Amino acid sequence: AQSVTQPDIHITVSEGASLELRCNYSYGATPYLFWYVQSPGQGLQLLLKYFSGDTLVQGIKGFEAEFKRSQSSFNLRKPSVHWSDAAEYFCAVGGGGADGLTFGKGTHLIIQP
Amino acid sequence: DAGITQSPRHKVTETGTPVTLRCHQTENHRYMYWYRQDPGHGLRLIHYSYGVKDTDKGEVSDGYSVSRSKTEDFLLTLESATSSQTSVYFCAISDRAGSGNTIYFGEGSWLTVV
Repeated sequence: AQSVTQPDIHITVSEGASLELRCNYSYGATPYLFWYVQSPGQGLQLLLKYFSGDTLVQGIKGFEAEFKRSQSSFNLRKPSVHWSDAAEYFCAVGGGGADGLTFGKGTHLIIQP
Repeated sequence: DAGITQSPRHKVTETGTPVTLRCHQTENHRYMYWYRQDPGHGLRLIHYSYGVKDTDKGEVSDGYSVSRSKTEDFLLTLESATSSQTSVYFCAISDRAGSGNTIYFGEGSWLTVV
């Protein structure tokens, strides 16, 4: 069965500092990988996705993620965070089938001034 | 933003009563999903649909049923609400399976069962 692990429940970063959120997945075939962001009281917004090709993918809001097959990881990065980046971040994996995605439990990002 | 409307957005109901949440899409997407979100669990799939009248169970389907009589509408019914079904429910849509299967989410429905 597929699964996603986000090891960090909470992360605190100073504004202007770099950010890396970790995501490890388990999937028996070629995975499709996603990062979503959720602000309080809102739905989930797609940040970026990986299907194939270049393992470094660029997303919205200055985020990027790198797919590393050997490590079963898809970590999210941003060189310099802004206070508006404070939110919940979810990593997800799917096989492209009709049964949707499997999500990690999320990482809550706190930005310190 | 994807054209997804969930109703009601907020509801308080009593234990044992039936509840129906509605998801309406204007994108004509084939695939529709219901997820629930709970602290410490992330999002978990309840049911999904791959076409009109074609539905299947997800990870946490017990106590829930769904119906899809039209492409644009996907209904989630709690047959007899329990306190454990207090949660935030998200509808999601996708235009196709396979490569490019990106899922888009609605704004959520907050359900409290007292």
